[in-house]
Amino acid sequence: AQSVTQPDIHITVSEGASLELRCNYSYGATPYLFWYVQSPGQGLQLLLKYFSGDTLVQGIKGFEAEFKRSQSSFNLRKPSVHWSDAAEYFCAVGARGSSNTGKLIFGQGTTLQVKP
Amino acid sequence: EPEVTQTPSHQVTQMGQEVILRCVPISNHLYFYWYRQILGQKVEFLVSFYNNEISEKSEIFDDQFSVERPDGSNFTLKIRSTKLEDSAMYFCASYLGTPYGYTFGSGTRLTVV
Repeated sequence: AQSVTQPDIHITVSEGASLELRCNYSYGATPYLFWYVQSPGQGLQLLLKYFSGDTLVQGIKGFEAEFKRSQSSFNLRKPSVHWSDAAEYFCAVGARGSSNTGKLIFGQGTTLQVKP
Repeated sequence: EPEVTQTPSHQVTQMGQEVILRCVPISNHLYFYWYRQILGQKVEFLVSFYNNEISEKSEIFDDQFSVERPDGSNFTLKIRSTKLEDSAMYFCASYLGTPYGYTFGSGTRLTVV
């Protein structure tokens, strides 16, 4: 069965510092991979996605993620965090194949706190 | 940029009452979904809808839940007899297919009292 693990429930970084949020997935083949961000009381905004091709994916707001098949990981990175990046971050995996329904399986989420 | 619209943003209902959560997906999308997020927990899949029928549902989506796309525009989630544990944020999402991303609405916060 598909599953997504985000090992870090809560991360605190200083403004201007670099960030890496971890995501590991379990899936029988290469999945579709996504990162979403959720500000308090808000909906889910797509940061970036991976379907195929270049394993380093660029997203919005200066985020990037790297798909590493050997490690079943899709970690999210940002070189310099801004206070406005404080939010909840969700990694999600979607199934491939014409028979799948395209549902997403989400990780538990990582809460990012940014110190001034 | 096209959006998925959900109404209402917040609904309070008494236990045992029926509620209908409404969503207007992006017009040319083909797949539609409902997810829920209990406060402080992860987002959970409820149901997917394609070609005017349910294509998959989770264990959460029992007989108390139903979905409809009555007019080719709206996509609704009905909970027939709400329970306290149905209190959650409910997200609607739509999807055109690969390589596009899924677009989520802003959610409806359902509070059952």
